[in-house]
Amino acid sequence: TQLLEQSPQFLSIQEGENLTVYCNSSSVFSSLQWYRQEPGEGPVLLVTVVTGGEVKKLKRLTFQFGDARKDSSLHITAAQPGDTGLYLCAGARGGSNYKLTFGKGTLLTVNP
Amino acid sequence: GAGVSQSPRYKVAKRGQDVALRCDPISGHVSLFWYQQALGQGPEFLTYFQNEAQLDKSGLPSDRFFAERPEGSVSTLKIQRTQQEDSAVYLCASSFPEGPLFTDTQYFGPGTRLTVL
Repeated sequence: TQLLEQSPQFLSIQEGENLTVYCNSSSVFSSLQWYRQEPGEGPVLLVTVVTGGEVKKLKRLTFQFGDARKDSSLHITAAQPGDTGLYLCAGARGGSNYKLTFGKGTLLTVNP
Repeated sequence: GAGVSQSPRYKVAKRGQDVALRCDPISGHVSLFWYQQALGQGPEFLTYFQNEAQLDKSGLPSDRFFAERPEGSVSTLKIQRTQQEDSAVYLCASSFPEGPLFTDTQYFGPGTRLTVL
């Protein structure tokens, strides 16, 4: 049973389009992180959200943590080919904030 | 570079062979993590070190998996009698504690892709 469900699993869009990917769980997390992973590389941290309802912006990327701290979304505006990659969400639960549980990821392809 | 490095990058083993995977964390990072990433999956936690102490090994799938970090720096993940289901990318990450109220930023290495034939 996957603790963190990510959707969609695959997404192929044209440059300039907007998109949203989702990370859902039935469990509460003390914090949630989003990573991007490119082929042959390890994941790279994009953002950490810790407060229910929190919204963080990183250039064209907007991250939101659900009010109940069970879900999160990543919205990309005007996607570019450089945004192509595997987007992973990972949650930490209280008492073991080092132990991350990852979703399966959303594989995003942005076509020029 | 100052990032996390792992070696070898690729390893092919025959079923039943023992393998050793090395991780060089970022200098000064206290915490070190090992993850297993199967094809099409997200990373799964294997084990966690704080300095030389292995504080959590709950994710190691069997007693064939063993990890050590004897001097609190370089770490080795050893897999004995490899099986085909061990084929995966093994990722190492390191971090510096940001305090008990924070989720530390983990810096990942590029991984070792293990293929067991």
